[in-house]
Amino acid sequence: GQNIDQPTEMTATEGAIVQINCTYQTSGFNGLFWYQQHAGEAPTFLSYNVLDGLEEKGRFSSFLSRSKGYSYLLLKELQMKDSASYLCAVRDMVKAAGNKLTFGGGTRVLVKP
Amino acid sequence: GAGVSQSPSNKVTEKGKDVELRCDPISGHTALYWYRQSLGQGLEFLIYFQGNSAPDKSGLPSDRFSAERTGGSVSTLTIQRTQQEDSAVYLCASTRGPSPYNEQFFGPGTRLTVL
Repeated sequence: GQNIDQPTEMTATEGAIVQINCTYQTSGFNGLFWYQQHAGEAPTFLSYNVLDGLEEKGRFSSFLSRSKGYSYLLLKELQMKDSASYLCAVRDMVKAAGNKLTFGGGTRVLVKP
Repeated sequence: GAGVSQSPSNKVTEKGKDVELRCDPISGHTALYWYRQSLGQGLEFLIYFQGNSAPDKSGLPSDRFSAERTGGSVSTLTIQRTQQEDSAVYLCASTRGPSPYNEQFFGPGTRLTVL
C-alpha cells in the first residue's frame, strides 16, 4: 500500500519562500507528482520527479530523494495567486494500474500581504 | 474541447436514489481515471480505464459503484442507492496513454451532495 504525508496548512508572506514537504512509504515507486488546486477547481500539474535531485521550473522547484522517501516543493517569490492547496502524489509501480496516483491529503498554503 | 469536461458540475440527490456522472476526456487520450475528493481530504483513486477496459477497479468503495467507458472516450460513473457518505467531489482525469511520463489532466469535477 501507499502512505503519503504532508502538512495540512502553511502560511507565508507575499514575496517570501515556502517549502512544502512530502514523505511517502510505498510498496512501489514510479514517480512523484506535485499538483496545485485552487478552491473549487481541478488540480493542475506542477512538477514530476522520478530521479533523485532538483527539478526547477520558474518560481517552482521540486526535489526528490528516493532513498529517504522524501520530496519537497519550493515556491519562491510568493504571489497572492499562489494561495491554493498543493497535492503530493506517488505513482504506483504496478503495470496494470497504469498511471494510478495515490495522493496525500494536500497542503493548504495561505499567502498574506 | 481543449480539456477534460465533466457533467453535471453539481448534483444534489436524495438518499437512495441512483446518480450518473459523466466524463469527456481530452480527445485522443486513451487512459482515464476517476477519483473522489471528500471535504478537506486528498484525492482517492476509484477506477482506471485503458481504452474501454478497466484493469484496475480496486478503489471502488462498494458494489453500489460502477463505471463504464464506451468508444474509448466518454466514461460514466454510476452510484446506486446513494448514501450520505457518498457526498464528495468526483474528479475525472485523462492521459495520452499508460506511459510513466504522461501527466494526468483533470476535469473540474462533479460536486455530489446526498441529502
